Amino acid sequence: DGGITQSPKYLFRKEGQNVTLSCEQNLNHDAMYWYRQDPGQGLRLIYYSQIVNDFQKGDIAEGYSVSREKKESFPLTVTSAQKNPTAFYLCASSIRASGGTFANTGELFFGEGSRLTVL
Amino acid sequence: QKEVEQDPGPLSVPEGAIVSLNCTYSNSAFQYFMWYRQYSRKGPELLMYTYSSGNKEDGRFTAQVDKSSKYISLFIRDSQPSDSATYLCAMSGRANNLFFGTGTRLTVIP
Repeated sequence: DGGITQSPKYLFRKEGQNVTLSCEQNLNHDAMYWYRQDPGQGLRLIYYSQIVNDFQKGDIAEGYSVSREKKESFPLTVTSAQKNPTAFYLCASSIRASGGTFANTGELFFGEGSRLTVL
Repeated sequence: QKEVEQDPGPLSVPEGAIVSLNCTYSNSAFQYFMWYRQYSRKGPELLMYTYSSGNKEDGRFTAQVDKSSKYISLFIRDSQPSDSATYLCAMSGRANNLFFGTGTRLTVIP
């Protein structure tokens, strides 16, 4: 089945450690995204990538890093510089329309999320 | 002021009730309006999509957009326990980003 796979589902980290969240898609989508979801706040964009070997900062990129070496994969590293990393992290993908905008439906396909807890 | 405002609820209704979920926004450049449904501990999934103003119906779900008032709504008729979820509104203009509401948590009681 086509979809987005995030792993791990749950992750615990000690302060000062970097952790990497995996996101893989087999939808053949060009664009991929990382969002952070906190209680009482909407989804906030961390990074996005419209094409392999290119990515852009979102609204809250500080303390995070990404890579896009393959079309299918867009891993997110939460570094020790991220001051409040405990959150639910969502990876998404979409068809990239011309001009870099979303496809007409504006549809994002989301993974099931990774919950990161800092101890 | 936030780009998108959404009442977080929670909202509890009896089975069979009509549910109304709403969002307001401030950016008049928004043209694409979406509703996502998110079950507990899962990722959101697109439920309804509307371009510009007007209504769109899909089964028990109706999405309405009033651009003059910068107000969008999602109506659920004959609500079912399986509709219990968090509903997120989202919208975008021509740029490559979606602005999400905080989500409204809905519980339909059998």
